[in-house]
Amino acid sequence: NAGVMQNPRHLVRRRGQEARLRCSPMKGHSHVYWYRQLPEEGLKFMVYLQKENIIDESGMPKERFSAEFPKEGPSILRIQQVVRGDSAAYFCASSRGRQDNEQFFGPGTRLTVL
Amino acid sequence: DQQVKQNSPSLSVQEGRISILNCDYTNSMFDYFLWYKKYPAEGPTFLISISSIKDKNEDGRFTVFLNKSAKHLSLHIVPSQPGDSAVYFCAASYTGGFKTIFGAGTRLFVKA
Repeated sequence: NAGVMQNPRHLVRRRGQEARLRCSPMKGHSHVYWYRQLPEEGLKFMVYLQKENIIDESGMPKERFSAEFPKEGPSILRIQQVVRGDSAAYFCASSRGRQDNEQFFGPGTRLTVL
Repeated sequence: DQQVKQNSPSLSVQEGRISILNCDYTNSMFDYFLWYKKYPAEGPTFLISISSIKDKNEDGRFTVFLNKSAKHLSLHIVPSQPGDSAVYFCAASYTGGFKTIFGAGTRLFVKA
């Protein structure tokens, strides 16, 4: 009964490099959400995806950030040319249905940009 | 624009007593509210939820109260246990919307 899986758990990148964060939703879940938590802050919605579709990306910065959820494989959150301000914990959640259903969270990926 | 506010960053309670965590919201379109619990180095876990058609929902030691006119909800934990020590996030969403909006969290300390 595997829950939401995220890898890597910790990721260190130098400024200007790319960061790729992966999320495998729970079995039977086709809805994925990405959140970012900055130190001492709450979770900020970034993007909501269904298989092969981005439904709402209003919380994602317009530049350098992208997300996908292909037909096969995990959802990927990609950050290009990382900057120190990107350092945060990135959480993925999944649900069986739309936003008003309970979301199950993964353990998060902690990104540190040097 | 903080649509969901948890104004108390931390709360300390004695074991066995009641813990009351508060949450205010500004968007009157919200019709579904959730509480999540988070331990360090883990993802949030769902605790309890309430629909706007109700004013109370109870699950064991946890009860959530909703006051729509005041745009306020609270989570009561009775009796509090040391294992309840964690960060609690209030969250809200609305039918037809795609986002769940989270508050900044309240860190609960339950002292033995």
